[in-house]
Amino acid sequence: GAVVSQHPSRVICKSGTSVKIECRSLDFQATTMFWYRQFPKQSLMLMATSNEGSKATYEQGVEKDKFLINHASLTLSTLTVTSAHPEDSSFYICSARDATHPTANYEQYFGPGTRLTVT
Amino acid sequence: KNEVEQSPQNLTAQEGEFITINCSYSVGISALHWLQQHPGGGIVSLFMLSSGKKKHGRLIATINIQEKHSSLHITASHPRDSAVYICAGFIYNFNKFYFGSGTKLNVKP
Repeated sequence: GAVVSQHPSRVICKSGTSVKIECRSLDFQATTMFWYRQFPKQSLMLMATSNEGSKATYEQGVEKDKFLINHASLTLSTLTVTSAHPEDSSFYICSARDATHPTANYEQYFGPGTRLTVT
Repeated sequence: KNEVEQSPQNLTAQEGEFITINCSYSVGISALHWLQQHPGGGIVSLFMLSSGKKKHGRLIATINIQEKHSSLHITASHPRDSAVYICAGFIYNFNKFYFGSGTKLNVKP
């Protein structure tokens, strides 16, 4: 089946630094990728929707200058947390829509997530 | 009130038991997904349903479009099934998921 990878799986960084998280669709083309944030014991919260070749659409309350999203190709989207603070510590998950699947409208595949800890 | 409601929130079962997790939604969804999240965080997509019933191994998912209700069943449950199960409704026109709050399942040996 379709696979979405994320790198790194875990990252620890110091406050004030920037961290880049990659999301790759390994065996399909993803015209749309989604970035989520998950706090402990809570469900996923959509941060932004990323379309290949265009600017990301951010959800209300998500700072676009802090969470930079780039979707430069059909298989790669990146989320950069800029000037990270301890409150940015969280579990970040991406998902990707398969544009080539016969029921492409609805198929989505989730990445394994990246746990970010800001010290 | 959330657009997608799950029940129960927590479920403890003995190994071998038949398990049902329910999901109701109030919005017009394009497809209903069942997701599994193990401790440690990784999410696995179990099923995508827009009608009827799907089966994969010991897992069965059903959806009733008229009643806006879906169920996830696990037959012959096993401790390795212990995880959080999340239902999520996807609306194509909004290009967006609406997530349930999850059901934490603990299967005891």
